[in-house]
Amino acid sequence: IAGITQAPTSQILAAGRRMTLRCTQDMRHNAMYWYRQDLGLGLRLIHYSNTAGTTGKGEVPDGYSVSRANTDDFPLTLASAVPSQTSVYFCASSLLAGGSNNEQFFGPGTRLTVL
Amino acid sequence: DAKTTQPTSMDCAEGRAANLPCNHSTISGNEYVYWYRQIHSQGPQYIIHGLKNNETNEMASLIITEDRKSSTLILPHATLRDTAVYYCIVRPILRGAQKLVFGQGTRLTINP
Repeated sequence: IAGITQAPTSQILAAGRRMTLRCTQDMRHNAMYWYRQDLGLGLRLIHYSNTAGTTGKGEVPDGYSVSRANTDDFPLTLASAVPSQTSVYFCASSLLAGGSNNEQFFGPGTRLTVL
Repeated sequence: DAKTTQPTSMDCAEGRAANLPCNHSTISGNEYVYWYRQIHSQGPQYIIHGLKNNETNEMASLIITEDRKSSTLILPHATLRDTAVYYCIVRPILRGAQKLVFGQGTRLTINP
């Protein structure tokens, strides 16, 4: 693995089902993020993690949960999917949570459709 | 975060320099200028960032005006692969994770 990976690449999901989007990075970055991208709304932050063992809410956290059991993995779970969660989901990571050199590196994205 | 203003779209000929402007007239002293781009169907890609000095890396150059109210991203020899939406983002230096606020960006098309 080189960089940040996401799985699955795409998924069609029935409403009400539970779904976990996976994100793994091998850069030993401390901070990780989940965004969703919707047409006309740009990227919006769902949840973030400053470091392993900690998580925080972004601007659109409702309906989503995350965990950060270790440095490398940051899964995003939809407990009961709804059609409004149809979107492209991007995971990102940065070496540090703050400071001047904390550029974020993004994964390739997961395209999720909830019917 | 300070608001940024970018042209909606630009065209550039392959092999020429692409100069993408960004206005950030309300930028604060502790805010950096970041540039990202997003190629169609891919995740955003970090390009470069700076505070007040001009910066250059293997991808691009960043020119920030002396009053820091505007900046220009320069792709010195644009290729077809540089066709993407380019985002200028201003963000403060803070402790803790921070979201990136992507505006509408500039859709840059490199023409053969």
